[in-house]
Amino acid sequence: GQQVMQIPQYQHVQEGEDFTTYCNSSTTLSNIQWYKQRPGGHPVFLIQLVKSGEVKKQKRLTFQFGEAKKNSSLHITATQTTDVGTYFCAGPPGGSYIPTFGRGTSLIVHP
Amino acid sequence: NAGVTQTPKFQVLKTGQSMTLQCAQDMNHNSMYWYRQDPGMGLRLIYYSASEGTTDKGEVPNGYNVSRLNKREFSLRLESAAPSQTSVYFCASSESGQETQYFGPGTRLLVL
Repeated sequence: GQQVMQIPQYQHVQEGEDFTTYCNSSTTLSNIQWYKQRPGGHPVFLIQLVKSGEVKKQKRLTFQFGEAKKNSSLHITATQTTDVGTYFCAGPPGGSYIPTFGRGTSLIVHP
Repeated sequence: NAGVTQTPKFQVLKTGQSMTLQCAQDMNHNSMYWYRQDPGMGLRLIYYSASEGTTDKGEVPNGYNVSRLNKREFSLRLESAAPSQTSVYFCASSESGQETQYFGPGTRLLVL
């Protein structure tokens, strides 16, 4: 079956440093979604990318969808303590109904 | 708009007991999902319902049953709880399968 891998599993950064998490699928995805889960909270939708090579920005967050629609990345510039949490990617393989979630990358920001 | 609501928030069970986790959404979504989240394992799909009247197994359905009671409500039942079912359970809904999922606040379940 489809696998969605995320790396790294954990990332410690000093406040102000940049952060990147990578998402790789074993199959082509119809789209890629990113979610953020704060400690003790529930996943909250951030963004969806649909087109091959698509890049979207939300303030300090930049999301990319690979040309082959099998990988994606989330980059945060100048991290803040409010960025702490676990970031999940999720994507439905082409022709599938529902997305498969990666295991997430936990971001820890040290002030 | 409450979004997705789940009850209870916390539950402690003894091995062998049964319980039903309730989920409701007020966004008129067609699709609903049940996930479990364990440390380091991400979100694993237990069951989903593409539309009212249909349910399908996800990645980890063993030990669980579901009911799509109507368009709003999707319940998850543990018939005979086991310690391996200790987890955080999230319900989610979406307009359709490939669209954004909206998650409830979760139910934290401990099985002793």
